[in-house]
Amino acid sequence: AQSVTQLGSHVSVSEGALVLLRCNYSSSVPPYLFWYVQYPNQGLQLLLKYTSAATLVKGINGFEAEFKKSETSFHLTKPSAHMSDAAEYFCAVRVFNFGNEKLTFGTGTRLTIIP
Amino acid sequence: NAGVTQTPKFQVLKTGQSMTLQCAQDMNHEYMSWYRQDPGMGLRLIHYSVGAGITDQGEVPNGYNVSRSTTEDFPLRLLSAAPSQTSVYFCASTGTDTQYFGPGTRLTVL
Repeated sequence: AQSVTQLGSHVSVSEGALVLLRCNYSSSVPPYLFWYVQYPNQGLQLLLKYTSAATLVKGINGFEAEFKKSETSFHLTKPSAHMSDAAEYFCAVRVFNFGNEKLTFGTGTRLTIIP
Repeated sequence: NAGVTQTPKFQVLKTGQSMTLQCAQDMNHEYMSWYRQDPGMGLRLIHYSVGAGITDQGEVPNGYNVSRSTTEDFPLRLLSAAPSQTSVYFCASTGTDTQYFGPGTRLTVL
C-alpha cells in the first residue's frame, strides 16, 4: 500500500524567503505525485503534478517540485515567498494497480508567511 | 463547464438524522470519490466509484452509503448522523491523471 509523509505540520517563512515543503512517499509501483493547495474555507486546487515525464515539475504561482526516486521524495519549493502563499498544502500519491487506482494524501502542511 | 459542484455548502444535523450530500460533475469522468477532511488527518477516502453502477469502499466507509446511477452524479448518504461525522466533505472527479475537487460541504452533527 502507498503512503505519504509530510514533514512539518506547520512551516513559517519570511516574505521573500525560500519556501520548502517536504514530502516523502512509499509505493510498490511507479507513482503519480501531486501537490494541492487549500486556502481557508475553500476546496483543493492542483498546484502541480508528476506523471512520469520530467522529474522537475513547474506549477502555478511560481512553485516547483522535483521527483527523486532514490530518495522517494517530492519536495515543493518556491524561491521567494509571497503573503498570498499562506495556505495549507497537501502532497498526494496516486497509484495504478491492476486497473484500480487510489489517491492517498499526506496530513498537510500549513504555511505561514511572516511580513 | 462548472467542474465539480457540491450542495449544500453548510449543514447542521442532530444525532440520528439522515441526509444526502450531493455531488455532480460535467467533465464526463468515470472515476469519482468522496473524502472527509479532519484537522491533522489530511483527506481520507470514504467511498469511490469507477463508473455508473460501480462503487467501492475507501478507508473510512462506516456510516456512509453511496450509489452511482449516472456518470454525472455521486451522492453520499448519512443514514444516522453521529457527532463523529462532523467534518468537511469533498467530492472529487478524476480525469486522465488529475483529481478535481468540489468546494466542499461543512457538516456539523450536534
